[in-house]
Amino acid sequence: AQKVTQAQTEISVVEKEDVTLDCVYETRDTTYYLFWYKQPPSGELVFLIRRNSFDEQNEISGRYSWNFQKSTSSFNFTITASQVVDSAVYFCALSHSGGYNKLIFGAGTRLAVHP
Amino acid sequence: KAGVTQTPRYLIKTRGQQVTLSCSPISGHRSVSWYQQTPGQGLQFLFEYFSETQRNKGNFPGRFSGRQFSNSRSEMNVSTLELGDSALYLCASAGTTYNEQFFGPGTRLTVL
Repeated sequence: AQKVTQAQTEISVVEKEDVTLDCVYETRDTTYYLFWYKQPPSGELVFLIRRNSFDEQNEISGRYSWNFQKSTSSFNFTITASQVVDSAVYFCALSHSGGYNKLIFGAGTRLAVHP
Repeated sequence: KAGVTQTPRYLIKTRGQQVTLSCSPISGHRSVSWYQQTPGQGLQFLFEYFSETQRNKGNFPGRFSGRQFSNSRSEMNVSTLELGDSALYLCASAGTTYNEQFFGPGTRLTVL
């Protein structure tokens, strides 16, 4: 069975702090895909990143970075120098070979960035 | 390029009624997936349609059904509404399989 766990329900930080959102996944498949989505108060899910199981390279995009470690089944997301606009709910998701575009989401982490 | 659109944005129904939600994917995308989001259960996959065929289905009762038209637009139907069906229903479109999906703004359904 596939499962995604985001143990942090809510995180509160002050602007300019760095923050890491944790994501742990479970799957028996050797081919799978991991995603992060952001859901601002408007409700629409915004795609942030996709990683396949064969690519363990970390990625940096501006203030965002992702650390994928197969050894610990984790795909963590770090926001550097957080800003108020980063306040949102962040979801980690998994899709697996054979599941087509079915995404299995974690429960989400609500991030509040205060000025 | 226009994004994913969903209509209506808000709906209020009473128990026992049925409802139809609509989703227009990004032009050229043939995959449309539906998700239900509730505070208690989070985001749950309902089903995916690709080229008018349902190719995956989540664990929802038969009251939840969908279809996809030749222009890739998709509809989702819920019959005999229950209070627990109150949720945000999100539609996502994708141009390929296993790649990023783009979500619409959702339809918020309230069942009284």
